[in-house]
Amino acid sequence: GAVVSQHPSWVICKSGTSVKIECRSLDFQATTMFWYRQFPKQSLMLMATSNEGSKATYEQGVEKDKFLINHASLTLSTLTVTSAHPEDSSFYICSARVVALEQFFGPGTRLTVL
Amino acid sequence: AQSVTQPDIHITVSEGASLELRCNYSYGATPYLFWYVQSPGQGLQLLLKYFSGDTLVQGIKGFEAEFKRSQSSFNLRKPSVHWSDAAEYFCAVSPGNAGNMLTFGGGTRLMVKP
Repeated sequence: GAVVSQHPSWVICKSGTSVKIECRSLDFQATTMFWYRQFPKQSLMLMATSNEGSKATYEQGVEKDKFLINHASLTLSTLTVTSAHPEDSSFYICSARVVALEQFFGPGTRLTVL
Repeated sequence: AQSVTQPDIHITVSEGASLELRCNYSYGATPYLFWYVQSPGQGLQLLLKYFSGDTLVQGIKGFEAEFKRSQSSFNLRKPSVHWSDAAEYFCAVSPGNAGNMLTFGGGTRLMVKP
């Protein structure tokens, strides 16, 4: 089956620093990747849709200058949380899809900002 | 806009008992429907999906779900719950293309009593 990986799985950083999270499709090429955010004991909220070679589409209320998304290849998308603050602490999950097929989810990255 | 409601935030069942998790959706047409399971600190695993055809779909780990158009529901069932089924369960809809962005319900946390 399709496998999506995320790195790192867990990161702790100081307030004001930037953190990069990678999302890779390991055995397929993903034309589109999605980034979700999940607060403790809550559901997943879509942050942005990332298409290879083009700018990401952000959901309403998501700051594109704070959450930088780059989809440089068909197997890699990155989410950079810039100038992270404690309120950015969350579980970030990516998913990847091939055109017209379902999404495959990564294992998630837990970000803790001190 | 589409929406998904999971009326039960928490459910506790005894091991070996049957289980039904409720999911109701709001959408103008028949959406694509999914059930995912999330173990603590983990990403999402697809249990089953409905695109069209037989309204009773079988999934992994002994789960099944039934699509009822008249009730706008897609309830998840399992005849005999195992302790390892304790997790968070999410119902999700996609507007007619399996690869389109997903809208998730709020989730139902399942606890299993020995």
